Amino acid sequence: SQKIEQNSEALNIQEGKTATLTCNYTNYSPAYLQWYRQDPGRGPVFLLLIRENEKEKRKERLKVTFDTTLKQSLFHITASQPADSATYLCALPRSGGYQKVTFGTGTKLQVIP
Amino acid sequence: NAGVTQTPKFQVLKTGQSMTLQCAQDMNHNSMYWYRQDPGMGLRLIYYSASEGTTDKGEVPNGYNVSRLNKREFSLRLESAAPSQTSVYFCASSGRAEDEQYFGPGTRLTVT
Repeated sequence: SQKIEQNSEALNIQEGKTATLTCNYTNYSPAYLQWYRQDPGRGPVFLLLIRENEKEKRKERLKVTFDTTLKQSLFHITASQPADSATYLCALPRSGGYQKVTFGTGTKLQVIP
Repeated sequence: NAGVTQTPKFQVLKTGQSMTLQCAQDMNHNSMYWYRQDPGMGLRLIYYSASEGTTDKGEVPNGYNVSRLNKREFSLRLESAAPSQTSVYFCASSGRAEDEQYFGPGTRLTVT
C-alpha cells in the first residue's frame, strides 16, 4: 500500500541556519507533491507544489526538491527564523486519480533564537 | 473574504448523541473535503465532494455522513457518536483537484 514517511521526531535548528525536512514515499509514482505548514490549533496552510517533471521549486526562503528515483522530496528553509517554527506536512495524490491526497504525519520544526 | 469557515469550534458529546459539523467556503471552489486529525495519525480523509451534488468516501468514512448542500457548504454528520470519534475535524476546499487545499480552523470534538 502507499505510504508516506516524514521524520516524526522534532527538528531543532539554530536561527539563521538552513532547515531540511524529508518526505519519503513508497509504492507509487505521484504526479506532484505538496507541502503545507500547520501551526498549533490551526488548519494546514499550503506552501508549495512541485510536479514530477520539476526537480526544484523555490518561493522566497523556501526550496523544495523532488527526486522521483529516490521517491523523496526535501523541503528547505534557508535563514530560518523562530517564526518558521511549526509542523510541516507533505501531501501526495492517491494513485488512480487526483481527487484525493494523502498527508504525511508531519515534522515539527523548532527554530531556536 | 473569510475563506473556509467551520462551526462549532469546540464540542463535547456523550456517546450515542448526534451532531452536524458545518463548513462553508466563499472562494467558489468545486471540491470540498472533510478530514480528521489524530496525534501520530496525521490527517485522514473522511469524505470529499468533487463538485456540487457529488460525494465520495475517503479513507475513514465509517460512522459519518456528509451533505453537499450547495457549492458553498459541505456538512459532516455523526449519527451516533463514539469515543473513537474524538478528534480534530478539518474542512478544506480546492478549486481543482490538484490545486492547493484551503483549510478551515478546525472543530475539536470530544466524545465521552
